[in-house]
Amino acid sequence: DQQVKQNSPSLSVQEGRISILNCDYTNSMFDYFLWYKKYPAEGPTFLISISSIKDKNEDGRFTVFLNKSAKHLSLHIVPSQPGDSAVYFCAASGRGFGNEKLTFGTGTRLTIIP
Amino acid sequence: EAGVVQSPRYKIIEKKQPVAFWCNPISGHNTLYWYLQNLGQGPELLIRYENEEAVDDSQLPKDRFSAERLKGVDSTLKIQPAELGDSAVYLCASSRDIKAVQYFGPGTRLTVT
Repeated sequence: DQQVKQNSPSLSVQEGRISILNCDYTNSMFDYFLWYKKYPAEGPTFLISISSIKDKNEDGRFTVFLNKSAKHLSLHIVPSQPGDSAVYFCAASGRGFGNEKLTFGTGTRLTIIP
Repeated sequence: EAGVVQSPRYKIIEKKQPVAFWCNPISGHNTLYWYLQNLGQGPELLIRYENEEAVDDSQLPKDRFSAERLKGVDSTLKIQPAELGDSAVYLCASSRDIKAVQYFGPGTRLTVT
C-alpha cells in the first residue's frame, strides 16, 4: 500500500507565479516530513522539512505546510523560477518499528514555463 | 564537504551475470542506506547500516542481493545473478544518524539485457 501519495504526476507553472505541490499520507505514526528535489541523472537533493509539532516551515522561496488532521502537506514555491523545474518527492518517517525509515511518494514533475 | 560518491554511474549487463555497486558516504556519516528506484517511482529502501551493522534489511531480496560495509565507511551492494527486473537506479544515501537528513549520491543506472 502506498503510504505517501503524490496524486499529481506533473504540474506546469508560469515563471514568477506560485507552484503548489501536494502530498497525502495514511500512516498516523509519521511525524517528520521532507521534500526532495531531483534533476535528471542526479540523486534527490534535500529541500525542506517539517516536524509534526509545527504546521509551517519556511526557507526562502520554499514553504511547507502540514495539516495533520487531513494528513496532508504541501510545498509552496514563490516566485517560481526556471531552475525549479525538476521532480519533487515528498517523504515521511515516524515512530515505531518499520516507520523510522523514509517512505517516499511517487514524485511530481514540475515544469516552469518561461 | 564532498558529497556521497557512487560508482559506476551506468552499468549494462546480461541477465544471470553478477554486478556490484560501490558507495562512499559523506565523511562522519554513520548511517548508510541503499535504495532502489524504478522508473516513475520514489526511492525504496533496500538496506540501512548503522556503522558496519545492517539494522534494517527487511526489503533486501536476500536470495540474489547482498551488501557489506566492512569498516563502517564505504559499502558495496551486489546482485548475483541479475534478472531483467533488476533494471533500475540504485541510490546510496548517508546521514549522521537515522533522525538526520539523508544525502543522496547520483545513483547507478543498471540495465539488464
